[in-house]
Amino acid sequence: AQTVTQSQPEMSVQEAETVTLSCTYDTSESDYYLFWYKQPPSRQMILVIRQEAYKQQNATENRFSVNFQKAAKSFSLKISDSQLGDAAMYFCAYRSGLDSSNTGKLIFGQGTTLQVKP
Amino acid sequence: EAGVAQSPRYKIIEKRQSVAFWCNPISGHATLYWYQQILGQGPKLLIQFQNNGVVDDSQLPKDRFSAERLKGVDSTLKIQPAKLEDSAVYLCASSSENQPQHFGDGTRLSIL
Repeated sequence: AQTVTQSQPEMSVQEAETVTLSCTYDTSESDYYLFWYKQPPSRQMILVIRQEAYKQQNATENRFSVNFQKAAKSFSLKISDSQLGDAAMYFCAYRSGLDSSNTGKLIFGQGTTLQVKP
Repeated sequence: EAGVAQSPRYKIIEKRQSVAFWCNPISGHATLYWYQQILGQGPKLLIQFQNNGVVDDSQLPKDRFSAERLKGVDSTLKIQPAKLEDSAVYLCASSSENQPQHFGDGTRLSIL
């Protein structure tokens, strides 16, 4: 069975600085997808960034980028120029690529609470 | 595009009572998911529908939980009878083929 581990329950960063959230996963599959989701307090979970395992290039979305190390099964999220609005719980998630429609369930890590200090 | 709609936002019941949650997915999304998120943990899939058929309910406690998705659109998740351990946020998500999942605001359930 696949597992996702986030070993940092809480992180803090000064506004405008850079922070990296860690995630490791375990799978025997070769085709899969990895995601970072953001969940602000009492608000809905939104997708931050996603990475296809077959792509070597790390995904980037504006101030958010990932460091995908397939052999090490590591998938960290880097947030540059942190803003107060980035404060939230961040979840790393895995989805198998075995189904052709790519609608399989997400397997989530435990989450990392990010605090942004002004 | 309207997002995933869930109701109610909050529910407080006593143990052994029953409760139901409703979800309306994004229009055109064939796949609908119910996740349970216990405080301090990541969401865990309870059940996944493809149109009105069940794809995965392996982690659904079937002795007390049930779900249906009539006509392949909106869905209802029911708990009967509720236990203290069912206190959680229940998240509904939907997706279309090859697209990421979109989540609703969730229903926060408290069991007294």
